Amino acid sequence: DSGVTQTPKHLITATGQRVTLRCSPRSGDLSVYWYQQSLDQGLQFLIHYYNGEERAKGNILERFSAQQFPDLHSELNLSSLELGDSALYFCASSGGISGTARGNYEQYFGPGTRLTVT
Amino acid sequence: EDQVTQSPEALRLQEGESSSLNCSYTVSGLRGLFWYRQDPGKGPEFLFTLYSAGEEKEKERLKATLTKKESFLHITAPKPEDSATYLCAVQAMWETSGSRLTFGEGTQLTVNP
Repeated sequence: DSGVTQTPKHLITATGQRVTLRCSPRSGDLSVYWYQQSLDQGLQFLIHYYNGEERAKGNILERFSAQQFPDLHSELNLSSLELGDSALYFCASSGGISGTARGNYEQYFGPGTRLTVT
Repeated sequence: EDQVTQSPEALRLQEGESSSLNCSYTVSGLRGLFWYRQDPGKGPEFLFTLYSAGEEKEKERLKATLTKKESFLHITAPKPEDSATYLCAVQAMWETSGSRLTFGEGTQLTVNP
């Protein structure tokens, strides 16, 4: 158990709908990352938040957005869903920002949310 | 652009048959190279971080090594419970805030009893 929690475990929804995925990082971790894993693309970085602020963006679609709240949990919002958005969505957390102890670079992943768009 | 290539894509071993998985990378300044284990439908499980060429890390039957261009994950006398997909990822030095990991496609390892 990594200490990172994600809800829900599974989500089935229709095209055009909007969903929210939730992540709670490990106790004490300030950084939250979101990744998408699909069969044809492997694990792809979406976005990184540190202590409530957006720090880096990857190949995240404009239909997707995220935020990190004062209690450090994070939500990933996916809207106008398409069939191709079906994937596993993982959240990871780490301890801090660059320049701090090396262990802070290690990212610990949650169990994921399996999204199926029909 | 950072790139990670893992080989082979799939590997079948008999229990006790040692082997190595390869991870080749190109990155504009390596901060760290990470190995993860992933079981089907589960989240990646952190195994090792390597920071500089020549560094080695060990955990049970697994040993990870790093050169300037690639990393190897050596599996000694594997058991069926070692069956999983092994993922390699890099983090670039220029990434602020200990940011994104760039992953390879993984090596799917099957260990037969």
